[in-house]
Amino acid sequence: AQSVTQLGSHVSVSEGALVLLRCNYSSSVPPYLFWYVQYPNQGLQLLLKYTSAATLVKGINGFEAEFKKSETSFHLTKPSAHMSDAAEYFCAVSAGGGNKLTFGTGTQLKVEL
Amino acid sequence: GAVVSQHPSWVICKSGTSVKIECRSLDFQATTMFWYRQFPKQSLMLMATSNEGSKATYEQGVEKDKFLINHASLTLSTLTVTSAHPEDSSFYICSASDREHSPLHFGNGTRLTVT
Repeated sequence: AQSVTQLGSHVSVSEGALVLLRCNYSSSVPPYLFWYVQYPNQGLQLLLKYTSAATLVKGINGFEAEFKKSETSFHLTKPSAHMSDAAEYFCAVSAGGGNKLTFGTGTQLKVEL
Repeated sequence: GAVVSQHPSWVICKSGTSVKIECRSLDFQATTMFWYRQFPKQSLMLMATSNEGSKATYEQGVEKDKFLINHASLTLSTLTVTSAHPEDSSFYICSASDREHSPLHFGNGTRLTVT
């Protein structure tokens, strides 16, 4: 079985500041890890994915995440927040084959002027 | 890129009626599609895995007779909420992938309100 824990249901940053959204996973097999973003009343859009290649993964919109096996973490970062980054972010894990994802509870990112 | 279309985007129905939601993969074939339910300000809860040409696999606690899933072709899966009640009001999202371990592509969701 696999699970994901997202620390902090709400994160607030100033425009231009560093964004850090935390995700820790639990998996009995090597995981595949994903970050998705959701805007109000919309589906999810993939930001980036880790599939056992490079541990530092670069995604769209300037986001990146680093897979750290020793810490079982896959935190999402962006050097400089933009107002358009305000949204809900979900970390997800897929393990043991297939595309069955387990999602974290989400982090609402607020960007302030 | 791969596109998943979900229809309708919102629907209001009366208690006791049934509602059908469609999920289509527009430019790829999806042998497997997934249906999720999302409550306000909460995460996505997997309801069922829809397999083309076979019965859906439901997650524990999901009533298969209430949430009917049909995956008649490689590009279309439907979710029918039968005899809907106000507690079925929610945001329903489908997703699909063209191959194992590739990222899921999500529809834009359907907001169901049962009055």
